[in-house]
Amino acid sequence: AQSVSQHNHHVILSEAASLELGCNYSYGGTVNLFWYVQYPGQHLQLLLKYFSGDPLVKGIKGFEAEFIKSKFSFNLRKPSVQWSDTAEYFCAVRSGNQFYFGTGTSLTVIP
Amino acid sequence: EADIYQTPRYLVIGTGKKITLECSQTMGHDKMYWYQQDPGMELHLIHYSYGVNSTEKGDLSSESTVSRIRTEHFPLTLESARPSHTSQYLCASSTPRGALSYEQYFGPGTRLTVT
Repeated sequence: AQSVSQHNHHVILSEAASLELGCNYSYGGTVNLFWYVQYPGQHLQLLLKYFSGDPLVKGIKGFEAEFIKSKFSFNLRKPSVQWSDTAEYFCAVRSGNQFYFGTGTSLTVIP
Repeated sequence: EADIYQTPRYLVIGTGKKITLECSQTMGHDKMYWYQQDPGMELHLIHYSYGVNSTEKGDLSSESTVSRIRTEHFPLTLESARPSHTSQYLCASSTPRGALSYEQYFGPGTRLTVT
């Protein structure tokens, strides 16, 4: 089965710092890639997704992610984080009819 | 905004009780899923359904059962709750029939505590 690795479990940044969260999946074939965000007390929401085409995808709130097929990676980036970005971030891969999630990265942004 | 609902939001129950967690969606999605979410862990798929009368066990069936009698409704039942079932349960749905997009929409979750 597919597996998803998120390398950073807990990240603490100051406001305006740049963010990059790593995500790797275990094997290729046709996959769709997602980043979800879970703000404190809220449900999981889609941040961005990759299905095909341009490997650099832009999502909501200034987030973007780059799909690098040769590295099985889909890293999330934001050039300047805000306090309101404090949340849990999950990378997910759809392979076949199932979705596989990483363990999540907890991001804390200090004002 | 996704229209997927879960009830109850919080539940504290004693060991051995039978419980049903409700999940409904109004988007006409054919695929629905139940996940278990614990802090610091990946979401574990418990059950999924591709449509009415179609259900499959995921990696972690957790001694639970599901049914899919109507497209919009996908309840999860624990016949005999145990403390090991204490967790957050998330319901999700995806894919309108015939669509190419496969993103999932999540409900707010049910926080279950078994004492």
